[in-house]
Amino acid sequence: GAGVSQTPSNKVTEKGKYVELRCDPISGHTALYWYRQSLGQGPEFLIYFQGTGAADDSGLPNDRFFAVRPEGSVSTLKIQRTERGDSAVYLCASSLDAANEQFFGPGTRLTVL
Amino acid sequence: AQSVTQLGSHVSVSEGALVLLRCNYSSSVPPYLFWYVQYPNQGLQLLLKYTTGATLVKGINGFEAEFKKSETSFHLTKPSAHMSDAAEYFCALNDYKLSFGAGTTVTVRA
Repeated sequence: GAGVSQTPSNKVTEKGKYVELRCDPISGHTALYWYRQSLGQGPEFLIYFQGTGAADDSGLPNDRFFAVRPEGSVSTLKIQRTERGDSAVYLCASSLDAANEQFFGPGTRLTVL
Repeated sequence: AQSVTQLGSHVSVSEGALVLLRCNYSSSVPPYLFWYVQYPNQGLQLLLKYTTGATLVKGINGFEAEFKKSETSFHLTKPSAHMSDAAEYFCALNDYKLSFGAGTTVTVRA
C-alpha cells in the first residue's frame, strides 16, 4: 500500500517569504507528526496531531510556524516570514495511534536563501 | 526529561566485520526504544524496537539490539557488515513523540 508522501520534495525560497509543506499520511492513521532535521542532527519533534486537533505543539520553535489537519488526514505545515535558519529537511510521520510505530515520509528539503 | 545519546558520529568498518553502534538513554519511565536507518535521500525506516519483554531484539537486515536497564543502553549490532549497510542510523526513545539521537554514519570498506 501507499506510504507517507510529502510534497514538494524540495523547496527553495527567499528570506521573508511564506511556504507551505504538505503531508499525506497512510490511510487510516489517526496520529500524524512533524519533525525537523537540520544538517548533521537527528530529527526534532515539532507537532503531533491526533485526528484533527494538535495534541502537542510544544516543538514548534516560534509563532511563525503553524500546522493544520482540518479533516484528520492531510496536514500542512506553514512557515511565515522564513529565515535562513529554517533551512532543514521537514519530515512527516503517521501511525495508527500514538502507541504504534511511526512511518516516515521522504521529507521536504527547505532551503531559505 | 527524556533523551538519547549516540556515542560516535561516524563509524567505519570493513566488509564482513562486526558493526556496533552505541546508544544510551535517559528516561523517567520504562522506555520504548527504537533504531531507525536512513539511506541517502530516503525516509527513516524502522530497524527494530524494544517495548517490553525480551531484552534482545532482532530486526531487519540481520541487526539486533540489547536493552540493558542497568546500563541505560540499547546498542545496535550486526555480526557481519555488508556494503549495503552504509547509511545513517538513529536511536530514538518513544513517549508518543520520538526523541532522536544525533545519528551515527556508517561507512563500509571493501
